[in-house]
Amino acid sequence: QTVVTQEPSFSVSPGGTVTLTCGLSSGSVSSSYYPSWYQQTPGQAPRTLMYSTNIRSSGVPDRFSGSILGSKAALTITGAQADDESDYYCVLYMGSGSFVFGTGTKVTVL
Amino acid sequence: EVHLLESGGGLVQPGGSLRLSCAASGFTFSSYAMSWVRQAPGKGLEWVSGISNSGGSTYYTDSVKGRFTISRDNSKNTLHLQMNSLRAEDTAAYHCVKGVSTYYYYYGMDVWGQGTTVTVSS
Repeated sequence: QTVVTQEPSFSVSPGGTVTLTCGLSSGSVSSSYYPSWYQQTPGQAPRTLMYSTNIRSSGVPDRFSGSILGSKAALTITGAQADDESDYYCVLYMGSGSFVFGTGTKVTVL
Repeated sequence: EVHLLESGGGLVQPGGSLRLSCAASGFTFSSYAMSWVRQAPGKGLEWVSGISNSGGSTYYTDSVKGRFTISRDNSKNTLHLQMNSLRAEDTAAYHCVKGVSTYYYYYGMDVWGQGTTVTVSS
């Protein structure tokens, strides 16, 4: 069973930059996995931030950016704000119609 | 504005069945793939099932294959998830999610509904 790995948690200062990553338990992530990123605050439905590696969803500010860094997909938040404090999930397209979500990263802004 | 409203959740005994529905509005439903994604209490997100815009192709995560069936009625802008042989580990909030692209299923998910809660317990 493929596991999509993310850092459990990150802390960033207001105005700072943080890069979250999304990897595979076996193998490398490339753009062919069409990585997407989602933000979720407690009690709320997830919000789509990014799809197909680096395409921002409608209304998402450009301080969120996506990329492939080495063997992982990455989401970078530049100029972190207090309301960026959330859980972040990536998802990879595994082929044959299936997706696998990452384990999620809790981001704290303080 | 895109709106997705799930219904049909509730408390069911192990081995029982439930049928979830998702009423879609604000977009051309028949043009987009749709998915169901669940989140167990205090846990992360899990993609459960997806369906092509026509309904001709369906996809499932391994743990629900043979138990769950996704379907859609494009004339009624409605997505369904028939869940049979339910287990305690199926307990979760189930979200209906619109696909990002009319052309590329693999682009993944876009707009999310608020979810409906399924509890499997005796």
